[in-house]
Amino acid sequence: GESVGLHLPTLSVQEGDNSIINCAYSNSASDYFIWYKQESGKGPQFIIDIRSNMDKRQGQRVTVLLNKTVKHLSLQIAATQPGDSAVYFCAESGAGGTSYGKLTFGQGTILTVHP
Amino acid sequence: KAGVTQTPRYLIKTRGQQVTLSCSPISGHRSVSWYQQTPGQGLQFLFEYFSETQRNKGNFPGRFSGRQFSNSRSEMNVSTLELGDSALYLCASSSGTGKEAFFGQGTRLTVV
Repeated sequence: GESVGLHLPTLSVQEGDNSIINCAYSNSASDYFIWYKQESGKGPQFIIDIRSNMDKRQGQRVTVLLNKTVKHLSLQIAATQPGDSAVYFCAESGAGGTSYGKLTFGQGTILTVHP
Repeated sequence: KAGVTQTPRYLIKTRGQQVTLSCSPISGHRSVSWYQQTPGQGLQFLFEYFSETQRNKGNFPGRFSGRQFSNSRSEMNVSTLELGDSALYLCASSSGTGKEAFFGQGTRLTVV
């Protein structure tokens, strides 16, 4: 039968702009949230993570915001570069004891950066 | 520090056959998780091994199995392959205690 592919959200920005990628997560018991970047032909690459007891964490050019009230996660990329073009996934884990090894991924967002 | 190594990178198998994929984690990491990535379903968790024991399991049929060796290397096996098993299979390595997981490049399995 015909398979229905995921229709990933897309975000197109100009080089130098700031990008914001959003994600809604499902499990209010999740303890740990991560953003991954996946380029074509490669495995997901860790970008930044945040624990449930935090609402903001900053890295190099990236900031993750966590809103537990509405179960929302966002990734902000400052001064976006063409090399940032990729699919971005949010993931959650740690909903109880030994669950850290199990990541539940969002559907992903395609980011395209135009020079 | 060497990254996560998955072998082989590409595989073509026939329906009904079985296949074994291998994952060598980062040195010192005790947790290896496996994921299936398809255009239709995205990234889905298969199972996780920690210190040679399956610690978490996803919602895949029993045809999908795995194991972990004392050196933390892991294998996953898919028996009686179906066309729908065609996917990118990824493994992730972590300490298993809430730190970040690092992914390998994946094994692209095509079932014909």
